[in-house]
Amino acid sequence: GAVVSQHPSRVICKSGTSVKIECRSLDFQATTMFWYRQFPKQSLMLMATSNEGSKATYEQGVEKDKFLINHASLTLSTLTVTSAHPEDSSFYICSAEPRRGYTFGSGTRLTVV
Amino acid sequence: GDSVTQMEGPVTLSEEAFLTINCTYTATGYPSLFWYVQYPGEGLQLLLKATKADDKGSNKGFEATYRKETTSFHLEKGSVQVSDSAVYFCALRGSGGSNYKLTFGKGTLLTVNP
Repeated sequence: GAVVSQHPSRVICKSGTSVKIECRSLDFQATTMFWYRQFPKQSLMLMATSNEGSKATYEQGVEKDKFLINHASLTLSTLTVTSAHPEDSSFYICSAEPRRGYTFGSGTRLTVV
Repeated sequence: GDSVTQMEGPVTLSEEAFLTINCTYTATGYPSLFWYVQYPGEGLQLLLKATKADDKGSNKGFEATYRKETTSFHLEKGSVQVSDSAVYFCALRGSGGSNYKLTFGKGTLLTVNP
């Protein structure tokens, strides 16, 4: 079946640094990728929708300059958390387009210290 | 806008007990409904889905029926196992235009004890 590989699974970074999270579709082409954020004991909140070759569409309240999304190819989408702060600590999950039945990555646990 | 409300957890059951996790939704038109499961430290896996009223989704002993009259999609399993311990999310996808994004409930943590 369709697989989305997400890396890294865990990352700890210092406040003020940037972190890049990658999601790759391994056996299919993902023209659309969704990026979610999950707080402890809470639901997944959609952050943005990225489409290959075009700018991402961000949900209301999500800082575009802080959460940079790049979808330069049909198999790779990246989320970069710039100038990370402790409040950015969270679980980030990507999901491929619905034509493949919403395949999710395994998630990235980001801890900013 | 679209919304999903599911019962608050945590839910703790003994092995072989009956499970029900309630889920109700608000949406225009005819949304598709999903249940996802998240095991500790992992991403989400599709458990089952239903795309129209009265459809029943089923997988691994879990079932849920799309009830338009009550706007519900309750998850049930007749006999839970320890391996079912996870967080369960109810979700919907709207039916309008190119609205492919999912709206999730808050999740329900299920713990099954031996």
